Amino acid sequence: NAGVTQTPKFRVLKTGQSMTLLCAQDMNHEYMYWYRQDPGMGLRLIHYSVGEGTTAKGEVPDGYNVSRLKKQNFLLGLESAAPSQTSVYFCASKASGVHEQYFGPGTRLTVT
Amino acid sequence: AQSVSQHNHHVILSEAASLELGCNYSYGGTVNLFWYVQYPGQHLQLLLKYFSGDPLVKGIKGFEAEFIKSKFSFNLRKPSVQWSDTAEYFCAVIAYGSSNTGKLIFGQGTTLQVKP
Repeated sequence: NAGVTQTPKFRVLKTGQSMTLLCAQDMNHEYMYWYRQDPGMGLRLIHYSVGEGTTAKGEVPDGYNVSRLKKQNFLLGLESAAPSQTSVYFCASKASGVHEQYFGPGTRLTVT
Repeated sequence: AQSVSQHNHHVILSEAASLELGCNYSYGGTVNLFWYVQYPGQHLQLLLKYFSGDPLVKGIKGFEAEFIKSKFSFNLRKPSVQWSDTAEYFCAVIAYGSSNTGKLIFGQGTTLQVKP
């Protein structure tokens, strides 16, 4: 049981490049979330999903897109990376009816 | 907008010292509160949570937190810290009206450094 996994662990992009971050969970959780973590700002919610095929905007959605085609996967896309998107990205999931979220190990993204 | 505030950004303690990290939230209604911990190089883990009932909740590794509704606070405490408690600590609350979606609002985080 791997829990929540994220791919890749590290990435360096040039401004304007695109990439997709993959989050996978093997706990059959309905809900999945993408956060970004920046120094002094805690974690901020980018997008979330309450079930397969559904997505919704969080607190800081601009510049990101997401897809939840399969229940176990939640993809975060950056169409045209900007230096302001340099951050550590965390994925989380939770089961329906409970509040505890389980977090992945994070992806450290640097945009130059 | 709903917010969570952690007043201590960086705390340095010696082993065996007592710890209290402050957390205040802005919403005055029913709240669900959490403390998460992130050890160096690791992902966030849940320390403890409060939903209802006894306002003093106990978590893992000897941590506890007290919910004081009148002060909108949920401070984290530990009587005697260890070097292994060195980590970043986040207070969080479920966003108002988000009990169905589980959206969390996090505080800024407090970095705890315990000196051996």
